[in-house]
Amino acid sequence: NAGVTQTPKFQVLKTGQSMTLQCAQDMNHNSMYWYRQDPGMGLRLIYYSASEGTTDKGEVPNGYNVSRLNKREFSLRLESAAPSQTSVYFCASSYSTPTNEKLFFGSGTQLSVL
Amino acid sequence: DAKTTQPNSMESNEEEPVHLPCNHSTISGTDYIHWYRQLPSQGPEYVIHGLTSNVNNRMASLAIAEDRKSSTLILHRATLRDAAVYYCILRESKNNDMRFGAGTRLTVKP
Repeated sequence: NAGVTQTPKFQVLKTGQSMTLQCAQDMNHNSMYWYRQDPGMGLRLIYYSASEGTTDKGEVPNGYNVSRLNKREFSLRLESAAPSQTSVYFCASSYSTPTNEKLFFGSGTQLSVL
Repeated sequence: DAKTTQPNSMESNEEEPVHLPCNHSTISGTDYIHWYRQLPSQGPEYVIHGLTSNVNNRMASLAIAEDRKSSTLILHRATLRDAAVYYCILRESKNNDMRFGAGTRLTVKP
């Protein structure tokens, strides 16, 4: 059982380059999330998708776009990377019912923007 | 938005109980209280959650104050593997998102 799979695990970009972080879950979850975690800090929500076909902004959406491609996959795109986007990115998923909001996280993508 | 307040850090001795506090004075009646922890170099993992009543599972217990303005995560016997950052989160009924704060860094001493 793979759970939440993120690719790539590591990435180095130059300022201005673009890239897409991929996330897939095999648990038939409704909701998916993208978080970033800067060194020594807690997680901050970038975007989330409550269900297939919907996406909403979180705390820090600027500079990012997302696509909920289908129920399994939720991608995060950086159109023009900036050094301030150097961070560890985590994807998560959940069933998202009022009594069961248990999040499952991927292992993260460490992104460095030079 | 409802928010939580946690101490930045706490220390515990191995095999002793640990009580991690969380204040959430602006909680609404339908907000769930969630706890997650993050081990070094890993993504967060679910620990426990509750609404009004105290909750127990194999990892921990959650004690919720009667007025729900605070809660306490209880690790009954801390081990070295429990050293992590512990996050207290409110699952707000008006939103579909889950927002983490800075959490409490727990150090367990042998």
